[in-house]
Amino acid sequence: AQSVTQLDSQVPVFEEAPVELRCNYSSSVSVYLFWYVQYPNQGLQLLLKYLSGSTLVKGINGFEAEFNKSQTSFHLRKPSVHISDTAEYFCAVSGPDNYGQNFVFGPGTRLSVLP
Amino acid sequence: NAGVTQTPKFQVLKTGQSMTLQCAQDMNHNSMYWYRQDPGMGLRLIYYSASEGTTDKGEVPNGYNVSRLNKREFSLRLESAAPSQTSVYFCASSAGTSGGALGTDTQYFGPGTRLTVL
Repeated sequence: AQSVTQLDSQVPVFEEAPVELRCNYSSSVSVYLFWYVQYPNQGLQLLLKYLSGSTLVKGINGFEAEFNKSQTSFHLRKPSVHISDTAEYFCAVSGPDNYGQNFVFGPGTRLSVLP
Repeated sequence: NAGVTQTPKFQVLKTGQSMTLQCAQDMNHNSMYWYRQDPGMGLRLIYYSASEGTTDKGEVPNGYNVSRLNKREFSLRLESAAPSQTSVYFCASSAGTSGGALGTDTQYFGPGTRLTVL
């Protein structure tokens, strides 16, 4: 069974500062990794995903994430945040088999961008 | 394209009442999902339908039933609502295949239903 840890429940950061949202996972098999974003009062939408290949994945809105197999991490980064990035961010992991119960979301990190 | 739509947006129930949450997608996706979102717990899978004609339990199925009415529609029913079912419910869909959902799929989410059970 897979699991996801997002150690930071809340991250406040000033506008134009860099940010890193941390995600660690546990799995006994190879994984696919995702970051989803939820803006206030909306559903989730995909930011980026890692399936294979290059460990540095670029997503929408200037976000990127790096897959580190040895550290079982998939941290999300943005070099300069905007007020509009205020949202909740969810890391998720799935396995190579058909969906089953293998798709697991982390508890989320609430990013607050301050003026 | 409307994507994934959910009705209603808000609902208040009394303990013991029943209701059905509706979900529809217009992306011709094979796979559909129901999640609940509770503070500090992320999203937890209630039921999913890997392809038309199949449904399976997720992590937290107790107290819920589902129906995959056709390829577009996937409903979630609470037969006897309890305060523990107060939550925000999200429906999602993914392309999948006729044989089932894929771990590589991107999921597309509806706007959610905020349910309060008194």
